[in-house]
Amino acid sequence: QLQLQESGSGLVKPSQTLSLTCAVSGGSISSGGYSWSWIRQPPGKGLEWIGYIYHSGSTYYNPSLKSRVTISVDRSKNQFSLKLSSVTAADTAVYYCARGGGFMLFDPWGQGTLVTVSS
Amino acid sequence: EIVLTQSPGTLSLSPGERATLSCRASQSVSSSYLAWYQQKPGQAPRLLIYGASSRATGIPDRFSGSGSGTDFTLTISRLEPEDFAVYYCQQYGSSPPDTFGQGTKLEIK
Repeated sequence: QLQLQESGSGLVKPSQTLSLTCAVSGGSISSGGYSWSWIRQPPGKGLEWIGYIYHSGSTYYNPSLKSRVTISVDRSKNQFSLKLSSVTAADTAVYYCARGGGFMLFDPWGQGTLVTVSS
Repeated sequence: EIVLTQSPGTLSLSPGERATLSCRASQSVSSSYLAWYQQKPGQAPRLLIYGASSRATGIPDRFSGSGSGTDFTLTISRLEPEDFAVYYCQQYGSSPPDTFGQGTKLEIK
């Protein structure tokens, strides 16, 4: 059974870079031709897709975040990562990783990790 | 970008009642690539319905999806206590960007 687990800093200072990693277990990130996504949810609000990386390594980002986002994959560690630069309080959210995106369903999801932007 | 609008924002019903949730798209959703997710407090969303009407693995048959084009519906035939949650629709036929509706909160009356 495929499982995803987010990890990273839970507190980031304004203007700094948010960094998260999603470890994939129960299957290879390189098999099946899947894409791998990051999605976030501000407290009490809805879901916002951040971006995804295809099995080919191609990346696609939400236009509203594109200038600040980088998603990468480390196949040797079976994980993928998110970097969001120049964060502000508006970036405070629960960040989820998920398999899917780009014409593919989001399934399964990680449990999510809360990132707070505060000095 | 396809914008998804869900209604109502909040739905108050009692266990045993029937729930009907709506998701309207700003333009036609390709090949009915419309999914529904359920989210309970403190949990990640869970896939319920894909392809507008197919239930995901392990989803009870009281959940059903219908619709095509721009209008989609999630129906829960007889509400169980564990069904009270927030429901999101999502289109995956036009990407990027992948878009979600704003959610419908199903609460106990």
